[in-house]
Amino acid sequence: DGGITQSPKYLFRKEGQNVTLSCEQNLNHDAMYWYRQDPGQGLRLIYYSQIVNDFQKGDIAEGYSVSREKKESFPLTVTSAQKNPTAFYLCASRNRGDTEAFFGQGTRLTVV
Amino acid sequence: ELKVEQNPLFLSMQEGKNYTIYCNYSTTSDRLYWYRQDPGKSLESLFVLLSNGAVKQEGRLMASLDTKARLSTLHITAAVHDLSATYFCAVVPTAGGTSYGKLTFGQGTILTVHP
Repeated sequence: DGGITQSPKYLFRKEGQNVTLSCEQNLNHDAMYWYRQDPGQGLRLIYYSQIVNDFQKGDIAEGYSVSREKKESFPLTVTSAQKNPTAFYLCASRNRGDTEAFFGQGTRLTVV
Repeated sequence: ELKVEQNPLFLSMQEGKNYTIYCNYSTTSDRLYWYRQDPGKSLESLFVLLSNGAVKQEGRLMASLDTKARLSTLHITAAVHDLSATYFCAVVPTAGGTSYGKLTFGQGTILTVHP
């Protein structure tokens, strides 16, 4: 089945650690996106990528980094510079020219 | 900067009643989406609205778009408990002809349907 897979579903981070969230899609989509959702709020764009080896900052990129070495993969690293990383993270993908974006099941990150 | 505002943010309804959620946005847009989110879950796509006057219906939900007023509505007819969820609208901004498909979301409307 085609889709977007995020892993892990739950992730716990100690203060000062970097952690990486995985996002893989087998839909052959060109564009991929990372969003952050805080409780009771809408989603905010962290980073996006239109093609392999290229990505752009979204509205809240500070403290995060990404890579796009393969079309199907767009991992997000939450660095120690992100002061308040506890949130629900959603990955999405879309084919260029398509109107529809597809979302993964999300990763809930908690700082302990 | 594109702003998307939903109202109300909280909606408590009785089963069988009708109500409308409003989504206002601040600049020209390529397209507007409505999503549903259940607690702890991802987003489920409900509607994609692409043109002025577009109306789409699925079951008890109907969405419409007025691009001149920069307003979309999500109308709920004869609500049932299963509709309890958070509903988001999202807009793709038009910026110099290239939007890159980036979604800007409203704050969400938490809908609770009571017996």
